[in-house]
Amino acid sequence: QKEVEQDPGPLSVPEGAIVSLNCTYSNSAFQYFMWYRQYSRKGPELLMYTYSSGNKEDGRFTAQVDKSSKYISLFIRDSQPSDSATYLCAMSLNNNDMRFGAGTRLTVKP
Amino acid sequence: GAVVSQHPSRVICKSGTSVKIECRSLDFQATTMFWYRQFPKKSLMLMATSNEGSKATYEQGVEKDKFLINHASLTLSTLTVTSAHPEDSSFYICFFRGNTEAFFGQGTRLTVV
Repeated sequence: QKEVEQDPGPLSVPEGAIVSLNCTYSNSAFQYFMWYRQYSRKGPELLMYTYSSGNKEDGRFTAQVDKSSKYISLFIRDSQPSDSATYLCAMSLNNNDMRFGAGTRLTVKP
Repeated sequence: GAVVSQHPSRVICKSGTSVKIECRSLDFQATTMFWYRQFPKKSLMLMATSNEGSKATYEQGVEKDKFLINHASLTLSTLTVTSAHPEDSSFYICFFRGNTEAFFGQGTRLTVV
């Protein structure tokens, strides 16, 4: 079993839709959870950062962590074509070494 | 804000040659530096980690004699792919972590022909 599982998609939605991206993981010791956005041929950029369980909201983005289920989610409200990118989840034990999901490729169609 | 500058962004080299990739943090000091490799439609795979004042620690399966990492200073790290082969073609990206900040480089697309 992979440490971090993420459906690679691709996922295509119409503009304005709510997007739900998810990852599951096997190591219950993970404490830090992150979502990165990666545009084509660019390095990832940090979107959301969460420590332990709970929700975090930043503008149109909401990150949820459910440690009991080993499941994390990223929601994008009112999705825009500019949100089209690959979204990677990442997690770590000690805020140092990160383990990444495969990334979900999202396309938001105008 | 602080950024990590990675060069080159794209390189094509002949099989058997060596390629050096450089990452430089512009206005923060990185206590830990990571190098990742990303295959198409695959996740980022950690290659090695280097801490200030220490040699790089390589992940299992990564050849340290092939992927030479030099943590030259708190602001500079280089990855040299020696005797490159077509299977080394990939996207390589550095990640710098300081005391309060962490950033990825822009990545390097290496193609070995």
